[in-house]
Order: sequence, then C-alpha cells, then structure tokens
Amino acid sequence: DTAVSQTPKYLVTQMGNDKSIKCEQNLGHDTMYWYKQDSKKFLKIMFSYNNKELIINETVPNRFSPKSPDKAHLNLHINSLELGDSAVYFCASSQSPGPRGEKLFFGSGTQLSVL
Amino acid sequence: AQTVTQSQPEMSVQEAETVTLSCTYDTSESDYYLFWYKQPPSRQMILVIRQEAYKQQNATENRFSVNFQKAAKSFSLKISDSQLGDAAMYFCAFSGNTPLVFGKGTRLSVIA
Repeated sequence: DTAVSQTPKYLVTQMGNDKSIKCEQNLGHDTMYWYKQDSKKFLKIMFSYNNKELIINETVPNRFSPKSPDKAHLNLHINSLELGDSAVYFCASSQSPGPRGEKLFFGSGTQLSVL
Repeated sequence: AQTVTQSQPEMSVQEAETVTLSCTYDTSESDYYLFWYKQPPSRQMILVIRQEAYKQQNATENRFSVNFQKAAKSFSLKISDSQLGDAAMYFCAFSGNTPLVFGKGTRLSVIA
C-alpha cells in the first residue's frame, strides 16, 4: 500500500483552466503539506495543515486553495492556471505539526504542465 | 530566515568510488535537524539520512554518512562504494522552527 498517494501523476491543461490535485495518506499522520518543485528542481513549501486546519500558508497566489476534508486528505485546487504554475507538486505528511526533526513522507508528485 | 546552500550543481563519481556532496546552512537556532533526501528519476523523494544538531556523533546509514560541523554550519554527505542506483538529485534540508527548507540540489551521476 502506498503511504502517500496523489493523483493525477501528470496533468496537462490550458491556461485559464481550473484543476485539482488530490492527496491521501494512510499513515495516520496529523500533518500534511504541499510543496512545489520548479523547473530548476527547487522545492519550496506552499501549505501545511494539521488535523484539517491550515497552519502554514507561504506566499502563494490566492488562485491556489488547499482543502482538507479530513486529516487523511489534502487537496490542492488551482484557479485560472498560468504558464508559471507549471511545476511538480508534492504532497507530504508527518506525524505531528512540529516541523523540528519530523520525517516527511512524500507522494510521488504531480507534474503539471500549463500550455 | 534559514537558508540552505548546495554549492555543487552537479557531481560525478566512478562506480565503487567515494563521493562527498557539500551543504552549508545559515540559522540562529541552536536546536534543529538536518536531512539529506534523494530524488531519482522516478521523482520520489527518499530520506537518506538525518542528523540531530545536539548530537556530536555523525549519522551513518550503511554506505551513507555525514560530516556535521555545527560551528561551521556544514553538513556534507559521503557516499561510499557508489552504485549505479545512487545516481539522483540529492537535496540537503534544514528543519528547525520552520518547515523543511531545501537546498537547490546536487545532481549526482555514477559512471560505470
């Protein structure tokens, strides 16, 4: 069983469209994250949720809206997609919200291509 | 804000040889953790090794070991007996009071 699974693995879409990426973890973790990896492979945190509550929201455009229906799921909805949104988006989870020392379990990533 | 710097965008090593990847970081915190993650072409992020800042002993995981120099804020990764499967992007990461902060990565090639 995959610990952190995200769908779809690949997403190709046109500028201006709205799309969602889903993430689920079966590890019983309380905290989930979204990271963005740009074309130069740089990884940066976007959001963090603890038990369905938003605890970290880095400087991300309002077009990005995370939603956590329960602590095992964290979805990412993106409105009005732009060319610059093209990247690989990683979902991750950890046992608790304390970032210190926590091992993050990553999903396999969703490669988003905006044409 | 914490920063993590990996000064080697690319490295290569002959199979069975040893290679060291460099990482430096900047922080005012005294209690933190450092990590090395591996990202093969499959894209999966794999934890290689973790070091607690308050432990002086360098962490080791099989062929992977670190050289942690707290005063110099340096955290290098040594891979011994390199294998073809070690070819990947390697990311150094810092975890303190903020979420995991990554360096820009080093692409490691292994030459048969």
